[in-house]
Amino acid sequence: AQKITQTQPGMFVQEKEAVTLDCTYDTSDQSYGLFWYKQPSSGEMIFLIYQGSYDEQNATEGRYSLNFQKARKSANLVISASQLGDSAMYFCAMREERNTGNQFYFGTGTSLTVIP
Amino acid sequence: NAGVTQTPKFRILKIGQSMTLQCTQDMNHNYMYWYRQDPGMGLKLIYYSVGAGITDKGEVPNGYNVSRSTTEDFPLRLELAAPSQTSVYFCASSQNQPQHFGDGTRLSIL
Repeated sequence: AQKITQTQPGMFVQEKEAVTLDCTYDTSDQSYGLFWYKQPSSGEMIFLIYQGSYDEQNATEGRYSLNFQKARKSANLVISASQLGDSAMYFCAMREERNTGNQFYFGTGTSLTVIP
Repeated sequence: NAGVTQTPKFRILKIGQSMTLQCTQDMNHNYMYWYRQDPGMGLKLIYYSVGAGITDKGEVPNGYNVSRSTTEDFPLRLELAAPSQTSVYFCASSQNQPQHFGDGTRLSIL
């Protein structure tokens, strides 16, 4: 089974509108972490937001917020007031803790295009 | 503050050749990771290290080797390059979270 599932290969959003990028995860661990990264066409990986499994409040970082629904095992990224510079690939990732260290799993990504 | 530095940025190898991808970080992070990203896909973990002298396999370790003799450096070795290893390779480091990524090495095996 896939550890991280992103079901939206591509998304379009009008500039200044909000958009939600979906992410579901699969783990039997109690303690884990969830991340979102942005990858522009230049290729670098840019950290956006983090949610710990024990965090009771949804994480927010500026225009980014993470809609964490633990029972549904979903961790959707919400981008408010989209900007042209938000056009990029977005990856959801999960950290599982092991005795030998942390294992990370990434989804296949969602390509977001912001339309002027 | 350089962060995570990967060299080289681009490389073309012939089948059967070997090479080492270099990764160094100046943040004194204990954790370091190597990923590969195939076209249109997410990142897959190859190897990781929790500190100097300690390494472990990730999801896709076959065909690769790593070493961690110092906190700063975490080189990835390809012994017998195969076309299936054509990919973009990312190194990352972290202390807790998040991971800090290098700019990647684009490797083509022909």
